[in-house]
Amino acid sequence: AQSVTQLDSHVSVSEGTPVLLRCNYSSSYSPSLFWYVQHPNKGLQLLLKYTSAATLVKGINGFEAEFKKSETSFHLTKPSAHMSDAAEYFCVVADYKLSFGAGTTVTVRA
Amino acid sequence: GAGVSQSPRYKVAKRGQDVALRCDPISGHVSLFWYQQALGQGPEFLTYFQNEAQLDKSGLPSDRFFAERPEGSVSTLKIQRTQQEDSAVYLCASSRSTGTSGEGEQYFGPGTRLTVT
Repeated sequence: AQSVTQLDSHVSVSEGTPVLLRCNYSSSYSPSLFWYVQHPNKGLQLLLKYTSAATLVKGINGFEAEFKKSETSFHLTKPSAHMSDAAEYFCVVADYKLSFGAGTTVTVRA
Repeated sequence: GAGVSQSPRYKVAKRGQDVALRCDPISGHVSLFWYQQALGQGPEFLTYFQNEAQLDKSGLPSDRFFAERPEGSVSTLKIQRTQQEDSAVYLCASSRSTGTSGEGEQYFGPGTRLTVT
């Protein structure tokens, strides 16, 4: 069975500083990994996905993630946080169905 | 084009009532998924359709939950004799992919928030 563990339940950053959201995965084969974002009272939106083409994946809104097989990690980063980045972020592993992590709440301080 | 739509957006049911939640996927999307998201948690898989065939219902929490997609487009999730623990947001997603690699992007609807009192 595949699963992901998000290492931080809550991350607080100042506007303009880097954001790091940590995710470890467990999979018996090469996984498909995603990051989704959920803004309050809005639907889930795909940020980026890894499907074995390149280990560094660029997504929307300046986010990127790096797949590290040796560390079984897929951490999400952004160089400079914006107030609009405040949301819930989910790391996801997929075969045909999605298995979500517990989520990381990001707050951005002005 | 139109995205995934769900109705109703909010539903309040008294314990013991039956409810029906509707999902309209993106036109032409073969795959349709239902997920349940409890407060403060990540979504959890309920069931999967490929066209009208229900290929996986392993996530349905009890036999009170039933889903159908009779013509391969619109889907309905029905919950019989609702219980308080059924309170959650029910999310529908569709995908044009039919593969098992997980590469196909799933597009999510806004969800139906069910509150059982």
